[in-house]
Amino acid sequence: NAGVTQTPKFRILKIGQSMTLQCTQDMNHNYMYWYRQDPGMGLKLIYYSVGAGITDKGEVPNGYNVSRSTTEDFPLRLELAAPSQTSVYFCASSYDGGGLAGGPEQYFGPGTRLTVT
Amino acid sequence: KQEVTQIPAALSVPEGENLVLNCSFTDSAIYNLQWFRQDPGKGLTSLLLIQSSQREQTSGRLNASLDKSSGRSTLYIAASQPGDSATYLCAAHLNNNDMRFGAGTRLTVKP
Repeated sequence: NAGVTQTPKFRILKIGQSMTLQCTQDMNHNYMYWYRQDPGMGLKLIYYSVGAGITDKGEVPNGYNVSRSTTEDFPLRLELAAPSQTSVYFCASSYDGGGLAGGPEQYFGPGTRLTVT
Repeated sequence: KQEVTQIPAALSVPEGENLVLNCSFTDSAIYNLQWFRQDPGKGLTSLLLIQSSQREQTSGRLNASLDKSSGRSTLYIAASQPGDSATYLCAAHLNNNDMRFGAGTRLTVKP
């Protein structure tokens, strides 16, 4: 299994440009997540999905959009890039998002380093 | 609102020393607490996950404890090695499928 893969690894955008960060997992996980990590900070949840066709906002969704047409893929879209979106973006997946029995382990991709200038 | 804090922000120890990393959270209503390791420029690697009903988990030289009532978790690393040098993050898994991370402790183990 490749686990969680992300492309690209690095990207520089100009203000106002758009792009899609790709995320794919091959573990047949139901739940997928997008986080951003600013320098010296912990990760913050942007969006998550509990299965194909279902997405929901996390802590910091503004300026981003997601879709989940298949179990494997969970792309993150930036429509009008702004300098505040300069960050490292991590995708993660887990078999189940949580429940009375407790939440599961999340598996992370290697990240996409995005700079907006 | 759930806040997760990690102290210290950075720690430097000589090889062989036992050490404790601290994580505190403000809301005890969590599903689990997870400890991760992050190497520079890399993604996160899960180390230990403690369910809300558990008090500790062990894996090799690592032991993580959870005290929900006091809002604290600790990660104990025994006999530290230079290869343990990394940033260690704790994250509280909330009831609504959200996960809140601490800013991390940057550990350096000197040979």
